[in-house]
Amino acid sequence: ETGVTQSPTHLIKTRGQQVTLRCSSQSGHNTVSWYQQALGQGPQFIFQYYREEENGRGNFPPRFSGLQFPNYSSELNVNALLLGDSALYLCASSWATGELFFGEGSRLTVL
Amino acid sequence: AQRVTQPEKLLSVFKGAPVELKCNYSYSGSPELFWYVQYSRQRLQLLLRHISRESIKGFTADLNKGETSFHLKKPFAQEEDSAMYYCALHLTGNQFYFGTGTSLTVIP
Repeated sequence: ETGVTQSPTHLIKTRGQQVTLRCSSQSGHNTVSWYQQALGQGPQFIFQYYREEENGRGNFPPRFSGLQFPNYSSELNVNALLLGDSALYLCASSWATGELFFGEGSRLTVL
Repeated sequence: AQRVTQPEKLLSVFKGAPVELKCNYSYSGSPELFWYVQYSRQRLQLLLRHISRESIKGFTADLNKGETSFHLKKPFAQEEDSAMYYCALHLTGNQFYFGTGTSLTVIP
C-alpha cells in the first residue's frame, strides 16, 4: 500500500506569486486534509476535502483554496503569497474520520 | 474556543527514567484527544488515542476531564523514544487542533 506523497518537497517563491502544492492520498483513503506548520509550531488545519468537495475549513483566508480529484488526490493553491505563508505544508489522508496519515510535507519559502 | 497547551517545548530524561509529557486542553464539547509523534527524518504519525485506551510502545495516556489533561507517560524511557510529540484535539472530520509540541530527548 502506498503512503501519502507530496510534491514538490521544497520550493521558493516571491511575494505576490501563486503556488500549487500536490498530494496523493494513501490507497483507499477518500478524505484529504491540509495543514500549515510554521517553524516551532504545531500543524494548523487549513481545510479538508471529501468526495471532491471542501467540507471543513480552518481560520485561513480565501486565497488558500484547494481541489480534490476523482482519484482522491488533492491540490492546495495559495494566491498572492505573503512572507508569513512560509511554512511546511502537510497533507494528510484518512478514511472518512479517523487516524490521519501524513505526507512528508512541502516546504515553502516566500522571499 | 478550543486550545491545546503543551507547556514544555523541550524535555530531557535519562534512559530508564520515567517520562511524562504534559498536555492540557480547553474545549466546550466532548473531547477526543490524540498523541502524534514525529521521529527524526520520519513523517508525523499517530501514537495513541484516548478512546482506544491502549498502550503503544509502552506509552499510555489517560484523559482527565476534571483537570482537562491528557498527559503522555512511560515508566522507563528508551533512547528510541527521542522524538517530537504533539498532543491533538479532534474537532470534526479530519480537523485536529494540535499543540505546539514537546521535543523529547532520552539521554543514554
